[in-house]
Amino acid sequence: AQSVTQLGSHVSVSEGALVLLRCNYSSSVPPYLFWYVQYPNQGLQLLLKYTTGATLVKGINGFEAEFKKSETSFHLTKPSAHMSDAAEYFCAVSVPYNQGGKLIFGQGTELSVKP
Amino acid sequence: DGGITQSPKYLFRKEGQNVTLSCEQNLNHDAMYWYRQDPGQGLRLIYYSQIVNDFQKGDIAEGYSVSREKKESFPLTVTSAQKNPTAFYLCASSIRLEQLREQYFGPGTRLTVT
Repeated sequence: AQSVTQLGSHVSVSEGALVLLRCNYSSSVPPYLFWYVQYPNQGLQLLLKYTTGATLVKGINGFEAEFKKSETSFHLTKPSAHMSDAAEYFCAVSVPYNQGGKLIFGQGTELSVKP
Repeated sequence: DGGITQSPKYLFRKEGQNVTLSCEQNLNHDAMYWYRQDPGQGLRLIYYSQIVNDFQKGDIAEGYSVSREKKESFPLTVTSAQKNPTAFYLCASSIRLEQLREQYFGPGTRLTVT
């Protein structure tokens, strides 16, 4: 069965500092992984996704994530935080089609950016 | 512009009343989904539909019902049987129900039941 664990429900960084949001997954098959961002009272927006190929995935707004099979991780990073990055971030893994083809989401990590 | 619309943004109901949340997409996507979001619990899947006139229960379908009479529409009814209906509800769609296909989300409806 597929599952996702996001380490840390809340992360706080200073503006200009490195952003690191942690995600570990469990999957019985090669995983497809996603990071979404949610601003207050809005829907989710796709930041990036890993399907196959290059393990370092670049997304929107300067974010990137690295798929590490040996560590079952897909951590999200950004070299320099901006105030506008303050939001909630969700990691997700997709379930194979023959098991429903759904997305399984982590609990979310709220990112705060201090001036 | 293509996208997903949900209406209304905020909805208030009295306990014991059924309420229907609207979800419309003009992305020509086959698959549509309904999620419930509660603080600290992430997103939980209520129902999903791969094709018109077909839908499947998700992880928390009890107290909810859906229909998929048109490709672009997937309304969710929160019935009086749902024990704790106050939540933020998100509708999503994807091209097809495939593992590598990302989902696109609507802006959500915040339902408050008192």
